[in-house]
Amino acid sequence: KQEVTQIPAALSVPEGENLVLNCSFTDSAIYNLQWFRQDPGKGLTSLLLIQSSQREQTSGRLNASLDKSSGRSTLYIAASQPGDSATYLCAVRELPSGGSEKLVFGKGTKLTVNP
Amino acid sequence: DAGITQSPRHKVTETGTPVTLRCHQTENHRYMYWYRQDPGHGLRLIHYSYGVKDTDKGEVSDGYSVSRSKTEDFLLTLESATSSQTSVYFCAITGTNSGGYTFGSGTRLTVV
Repeated sequence: KQEVTQIPAALSVPEGENLVLNCSFTDSAIYNLQWFRQDPGKGLTSLLLIQSSQREQTSGRLNASLDKSSGRSTLYIAASQPGDSATYLCAVRELPSGGSEKLVFGKGTKLTVNP
Repeated sequence: DAGITQSPRHKVTETGTPVTLRCHQTENHRYMYWYRQDPGHGLRLIHYSYGVKDTDKGEVSDGYSVSRSKTEDFLLTLESATSSQTSVYFCAITGTNSGGYTFGSGTRLTVV
C-alpha cells in the first residue's frame, strides 16, 4: 500500500529565507507527483506537477524535484514571503493496480513565514 | 476553481437523514473523484469515476454511494448521515493518466 510522508509537519521561518519541504513515498510505481497549496478553510491549489520521467519542475520561486528510484521529492521555495504561509501537500498518482487508480496524499507541511 | 464547482458549500444535517453533494465540471474530463479531509487523516478517497456509469470504491467508501449519469456531474450520497461523516468533502477531476488533478472548493458538512 502506497504511503506518502511529509516532513516536517510544521515549519516556521522568517521572511526572505529559502526553504525545503520534503515528501517521501513507498512505492515508485507512479504516474506523477503533484504539489498543492491549501489555505485555511479553502480548497487545494495545484503548484507543480512532475511526471514520473521528469526530474524537476519550476514555477516562479518554486522548484520541485523528483527522485522516483529513492521515493523522494522536495519543494524548494526561494525568498519566502508571508503570503507563502499555507499548508503544502504532496500527492502521488499511483499506477492502476487491480483496477484501482488514485491520488495518495501526505498529511502536509504547515508553513508559517513571519514578517 | 474555474471548471469545477461543488454544491452546497456548507450544509448542516441531522443524523439519519440522506444527503447528496454535487460536483459539476465543465472540462469534459473523464475522471472524477470524491475525497474527504479530516484533521489527523489528511485527504482520503471515497469513490471515483472513470466514465459515465463507471464508478469504483476508494479506501473509505462505507456509508457512501455515488452516481455519474453525465460526464459533467458526479454525485456523492450519504445514505444515512452519521456524526463520523462530519467532514470537508472535495471533488477532483483529471483528464488523462498523466494529467494533474484540479480540486473544487469543498463542501463543509456537519452532521448533528
